[in-house]
Amino acid sequence: RKEVEQDPGPFNVPEGATVAFNCTYSNSASQSFFWYRQDCRKEPKLLMSVYSSGNEDGRFTAQLNRASQYISLLIRDSKLSDSATYLCVVNTDKLIFGTGTRLQVFP
Amino acid sequence: GAGVSQTPSNKVTEKGKYVELRCDPISGHTALYWYRQSLGQGPEFLIYFQGTGAADDSGLPNDRFFAVRPEGSVSTLKIQRTERGDSAMYLCASSSSSAETQYFGPGTRLLVL
Repeated sequence: RKEVEQDPGPFNVPEGATVAFNCTYSNSASQSFFWYRQDCRKEPKLLMSVYSSGNEDGRFTAQLNRASQYISLLIRDSKLSDSATYLCVVNTDKLIFGTGTRLQVFP
Repeated sequence: GAGVSQTPSNKVTEKGKYVELRCDPISGHTALYWYRQSLGQGPEFLIYFQGTGAADDSGLPNDRFFAVRPEGSVSTLKIQRTERGDSAMYLCASSSSSAETQYFGPGTRLLVL
């Protein structure tokens, strides 16, 4: 079983849609959690950290459920520029990346 | 300020050759990481430096892979006797400490023919 599992997608959604990505992790000792965004042929960039209390940054909301070892990312009012791969990342003593979920927003 | 830089951006080599990939971290960042990303996969951890020393090299796949950071700044990832399976994007990241956000460089695309 992979340490961090994500649905690879692709998720194809129209502009303005709400889309949710989920991720599960296997190591209950994981200390911190992140979502990274990666554009095609580019490096990953930190989108947001994820906290148990849930956190929001504009159109993006992240949630962590430690009991279920589950992380989510919600994107509201999708824009064309949101098209990218979203990587779920868990920090044990090193960053462990999921395979990423590809999002394609169409006009 | 300047971000993490990596050179070369692309490297094509033949099976069996030796390659060196360079990473210049953000100035003042003591922690430096190397990752490898294959197509359709997320980055996989290779090695982590804190200062000049390799604090964790558990991700290096075999003894053909080696990395150094002699002065605690620039790091070089060295691959001996390259194999076609080594073809991937090699990413470097740095952070101000091991607990802080990692910032990635643009990567080196390695193709072994």
